This record gives sequence, C-alpha cells and structure tokens, in this order.
Amino acid sequence: DSGVTQTPKHLITATGQRVTLRCSPRSGDLSVYWYQQSLDQGLQFLIQYYNGEERAKGNILERFSAQQFPDLHSELNLSSLELGDSALYFCASSVTGLTYNEQFFGPGTRLTVL
Amino acid sequence: AQSVAQPEDQVNVAEGNPLTVKCTYSVSGNPYLFWYVQYPNRGLQFLLKYITGDNLVKGSYGFEAEFNKSQTSFHLKKPSALVSDSALYFCAVSRSYNTDKLIFGTGTRLQVFP
Repeated sequence: DSGVTQTPKHLITATGQRVTLRCSPRSGDLSVYWYQQSLDQGLQFLIQYYNGEERAKGNILERFSAQQFPDLHSELNLSSLELGDSALYFCASSVTGLTYNEQFFGPGTRLTVL
Repeated sequence: AQSVAQPEDQVNVAEGNPLTVKCTYSVSGNPYLFWYVQYPNRGLQFLLKYITGDNLVKGSYGFEAEFNKSQTSFHLKKPSALVSDSALYFCAVSRSYNTDKLIFGTGTRLQVFP
C-alpha cells in the first residue's frame, strides 16, 4: 500500500458527461501528479500540483482540469467525455515535487465511457 | 525532447535464471532515471532510481539497474528471477530538477515461468 488513495475505483459513464476523480496524497507529501494510462497512448503525464499551485502541465486536454485543495487532496475533472477518454487514471504524490524524489502511485480509477 | 525506449514488449525467463529488462533514454544533459513495476489491477510501485553517483543502483525486491552513459541505457536486472516477479515494468526519465513530468517508456511485460 503506497499510502495514496483514489476514489472511486471504477467509474462508468456516458459520452458528454462530466466526472470528478479524487486523490489523497501520502501524509506529508506536498506534490500531486495525475497520469492517464491507456492501451494506445501508454502512461502519460497530465498535470502536477505542488502545495496548491499548478507546477507543470503535460498532455492534458482542455476538457480536463484539476486542482489541489488546502488539505492537499486533489481532484481531476473530466468533462464532455468521449469514448477515447476511457482509461486508467493514476494519481501519484511525492514529498517535494522535485524530480529526484520518487513518486508514489495510487491504485487508480478506471474510467469507462460508453 | 526527452524520450524512453523499452525495445521489448515481453521478456520471458525461467525461474532462477537471471533477467534483464532493457531501457534506453534520450535526454539533453544529465538524466534522472527510474524503474517502476505494475502488478495487475494495481498502481505503479517504485523500484529504484539513478540520480548521480555509482552506476550500479540497487533497489527493492533484489532488483538492480546499471546506468551506462555512453550507451544511454538503464537496464533493469535481477540475478535470480521469481515467478512473483511477473509484472509490467516501466522505465522513466526526467531531466529537469524542478519538474514536472516523468516520461515513461511503453512498458515491458516480464513473464517468469516455473
């Protein structure tokens, strides 16, 4: 158990809908990362937050947004969902957000868009 | 641009034999290199990292990796494979100290046969 929690574990929804994925980092970790894992795109970095502030963006669609709250939990919002958004979404956390600190991954949220 | 290549989709090895999972990288400047493992229906688990120093890095579960700057490689190794090592292995690279993102390879499925 990495100490990173993600809810829900599974999410099934329809095209055009909006969903929110939640992540609680390990105790003491200030940085949260979101990744998308799909068969065709592999594991892709979406966005990073550090202590409530956005630090870096990756291949995140404009339909997606995220935030990190004062208690350091984070939410990833996916809107106007398309079939291609079906994937496993991982949250990870690290102590400082600096590269050389390893990231600890949650179990993921499997999103299925029908 | 940073990139990681894992040339083998799958590696098969008999239990008790040594295993190698290959990774090559492309990054300007000095890289930070990581190996993660993913078991079925689980998040990624950190195995080991190379930041600086000794080229041979030892990690969790008896795994080690050798950093080779001239060949831009960071192969994962284990002297004696276990059936329980069967999983999906990801190599990742980053360059920036203050980053952002880990760039992951496409993953190599390791199958250890009894």
